[in-house]
Amino acid sequence: EIVMTQSPATLSVSPGERATLSCRASQSVGNSLAWYQQKPGQAPRLLIYDTSTRATSIPARFSGSGSGTEFTLTISSLQSEDFAVYSCQQYNNWPRTFGQGTKVEIK
Amino acid sequence: QVQLVQSGAEVKKPGASVRVSCQTSGYTFTNYALSWVRQAPGQGLEWMGWISAFNGNIKYAQKFQGRVTVTADTSTRTAYMELRSLRSDDTAVYYCVREGERDTYNPTYYFYFGMDVWGQGTTVIVSS
Repeated sequence: EIVMTQSPATLSVSPGERATLSCRASQSVGNSLAWYQQKPGQAPRLLIYDTSTRATSIPARFSGSGSGTEFTLTISSLQSEDFAVYSCQQYNNWPRTFGQGTKVEIK
Repeated sequence: QVQLVQSGAEVKKPGASVRVSCQTSGYTFTNYALSWVRQAPGQGLEWMGWISAFNGNIKYAQKFQGRVTVTADTSTRTAYMELRSLRSDDTAVYYCVREGERDTYNPTYYFYFGMDVWGQGTTVIVSS
């Protein structure tokens, strides 16, 4: 199975600053990579699919990039509602696998 | 709007079984597939299985093979996940998620765009 590794585990950022989250796959997943946002007590929400396509209603401050085994989620200017856990997931192969998540917290 | 509404929380004893339902609405049920994903307390997301609502084709994570069954009832637009021989480490929130849109021209082929719609989650606690 493909192992997804996210870094860092925790990212401390001030509101208005840029946040850059990384996700690495143990083997190529092409561009079949999604990012999810999860707030405490809530279900995850799809942010990005196909590496860089924003899901419906997702603000433009969220962007994704990468291919193969290295991927990045960038939040250009953090808003208060963006402090959450972000997980990457590959859907190029079965079984589907997720990273362990990056917690974005207020600095 | 598209919704996945799951059944309520469950408390089970070790060795028992649990069945979680996922009632869908707002889209053509047989045009999409569904996955089941779980999240143990303080842990990441873990994929368990996938089912085509069109023809019932199934894929399971090897970890759960023999212990999990996923089904889909087209008459009620509802999916089910049953997990047997429960252990304490099965304590988790279980989610049904929409994953995969059927190709109109090749009905057994799916397009994937990540997991775009999530149920609200069902808490399953396994404790003696």
